[in-house]
Amino acid sequence: AQSVTQLGSHVSVSEGALVLLRCNYSSSVPPYLFWYVQYPNQGLQLLLKYTTGATLVKGINGFEAEFKKSETSFHLTKPSAHMSDAAEYFCAVIQTGANNLFFGTGTRLTVIP
Amino acid sequence: GAGVSQSPSNKVTEKGKDVELRCDPISGHTALYWYRQSLGQGLEFLIYFQGNSAPDKSGLPSDRFSAERTGGSVSTLTIQRTQQEDSAVYLCASSQRRDSPLHFGNGTRLTVT
Repeated sequence: AQSVTQLGSHVSVSEGALVLLRCNYSSSVPPYLFWYVQYPNQGLQLLLKYTTGATLVKGINGFEAEFKKSETSFHLTKPSAHMSDAAEYFCAVIQTGANNLFFGTGTRLTVIP
Repeated sequence: GAGVSQSPSNKVTEKGKDVELRCDPISGHTALYWYRQSLGQGLEFLIYFQGNSAPDKSGLPSDRFSAERTGGSVSTLTIQRTQQEDSAVYLCASSQRRDSPLHFGNGTRLTVT
């Protein structure tokens, strides 16, 4: 069985501050990990993904995430928040050999000017 | 090129009526997913199609829900005898392979009155 936990349904940061969105997963085997973003009134789009290889993954819009097997985490970070980053962010995991892509419940990011 | 197309974009129906939701995936994408997004609930997996294989129906919440995918392309999600708790945004996504990033449609917002 596997699940995805996103700590904090709402996160607020000041413009220019560090963004940290947390994601932990439970999986019996190394999974594939994804972050998706949903901007207001838009569909979900891929931000970044980890499958194999380098554990620090860079995505679009300056975001990156690091796969830490020992901590079963895949936290999303950005050094400096921009107003346009305000959106809902979803962590997702698919276990290798499985069919289903499981999503977390999402974290709504608010950027304060 | 064309993305994932869903229709209708909005559907209001009376409790007890049947509804059909349509998804046109990206041409050539063999994997197709249906998810349900409810306020504060994240994305709930419903069903997964991969090529000509038997679909993974493990996420369908009740026997009122069914889906088919004709010719490995267009998919229809049918909800019979709709209930108010079925109100949600129904999202379709497709990908080239099981572990490839998903491309999402804009969803169908279903409201059951």
